[in-house]
Amino acid sequence: GENVEQHPSTLSVQEGDSAVIKCTYSDSASNYFPWYKQELGKGPQLIIDIRSNVGEKKDQRIAVTLNKTAKHFSLHITETQPEDSAVYFCAPTDSWGKLQFGAGTQVVVTP
Amino acid sequence: NAGVTQTPKFQVLKTGQSMTLQCAQDMNHNSMYWYRQDPGMGLRLIYYSASEGTTDKGEVPNGYNVSRLNKREFSLRLESAAPSQTSVYFCASRAGGGTDTQYFGPGTRLTVL
Repeated sequence: GENVEQHPSTLSVQEGDSAVIKCTYSDSASNYFPWYKQELGKGPQLIIDIRSNVGEKKDQRIAVTLNKTAKHFSLHITETQPEDSAVYFCAPTDSWGKLQFGAGTQVVVTP
Repeated sequence: NAGVTQTPKFQVLKTGQSMTLQCAQDMNHNSMYWYRQDPGMGLRLIYYSASEGTTDKGEVPNGYNVSRLNKREFSLRLESAAPSQTSVYFCASRAGGGTDTQYFGPGTRLTVL
């Protein structure tokens, strides 16, 4: 969406390295911040999310950090593996449940 | 528990033809959504239904109509297809409340010639 910026648009990393994707939003009403992973030919699948009252959340190799004052949140993937190759979308959501998707980041993990 | 299912998976139409995309969810969710995804872009909201019996326009509603048939089913209709409607269409559902996750179906790839 026009009010959501996601960077970078493509990210190539070597297996085992870390990947970071950043999402900036403008809607102050956003209070829920999910990240979706989309594999080729499939629908987006939630991989991690964070609520507005939390600064950081971790789930094994993935983590999300939120800076609500600056209106940005980031996805961190550590020890990347080939199966992490996909398109990742941020989707800040308001209290009515309306998502605004970023344009996506194509992540390629090379062995 | 199949989650969100969509039919058909693929469809080719000629300009001016009509068709209905079907979506069903078995999670007893209150809200349902239709999105389109164009190459290299994120998903854009076409229509949504916050609860059974209600529907509202999203970001790109022109050329589409929807029906929330019951709590499980939410269909998207193209009355007169245009090449600009060539896209991948995703249906999603959400339990309800302000901050719940949306669960997506596998998508319908539509080509309009």
